[in-house]
Amino acid sequence: GAVVSQHPSRVICKSGTSVKIECRSLDFQATTMFWYRQFPKQSLMLMATSNEGSKATYEQGVEKDKFLINHASLTLSTLTVTSAHPEDSSFYICSGVGPQWTQYFGPGTRLLVL
Amino acid sequence: DQQVKQNSPSLSVQEGRISILNCDYTNSMFDYFLWYKKYPAEGPTFLISISSIKDKNEDGRFTVFLNKSAKHLSLHIVPSQPGDSAVYFCAASSYGGSQGNLIFGKGTKLSVKP
Repeated sequence: GAVVSQHPSRVICKSGTSVKIECRSLDFQATTMFWYRQFPKQSLMLMATSNEGSKATYEQGVEKDKFLINHASLTLSTLTVTSAHPEDSSFYICSGVGPQWTQYFGPGTRLLVL
Repeated sequence: DQQVKQNSPSLSVQEGRISILNCDYTNSMFDYFLWYKKYPAEGPTFLISISSIKDKNEDGRFTVFLNKSAKHLSLHIVPSQPGDSAVYFCAASSYGGSQGNLIFGKGTKLSVKP
């Protein structure tokens, strides 16, 4: 199957700092990548759709200036949480559209903002 | 308003027996459905999918049934194994699963007891 990696797997930061999360498709090229967020006991919620070489599309209620997405290549998308606050603490997961038009998910990044 | 509902937050099954996980949806535009398995602190892993033009898809121990008139799908695992213990997410898409939102349910935690 297709493999997606995320880095870091876990990050703790102080309120007001920025955190960058990388998402890589290791054995396939992903023109489109998605970023999800999951709060405890909730569904995975789509935050934004990242298209290589163009601007990301954000879901309603997601601040594009706070969650900066860059999809500079067919194998790498980054999500930067700017000026993070405790309410941004969550589990962030990316996915890439791989073989058979299926989304393959990364292992997730646990963000804790103190 | 939840478009994809998994009404059972948890399910416990004896090893060797059948596990049946249920999912209901409200949006008649959904045309592709997927099941994902998720371990704690990991991203979801794709299990099996079904297009709305089918009513059954089978892959080894996993079978997904779709009842479009009832807007209901189910995942059957036979025989259940302790390694199947995880959270199972049902997801739906109106873009064939390849692009656009995957709308996730809240998940059902399956425990398979030896």
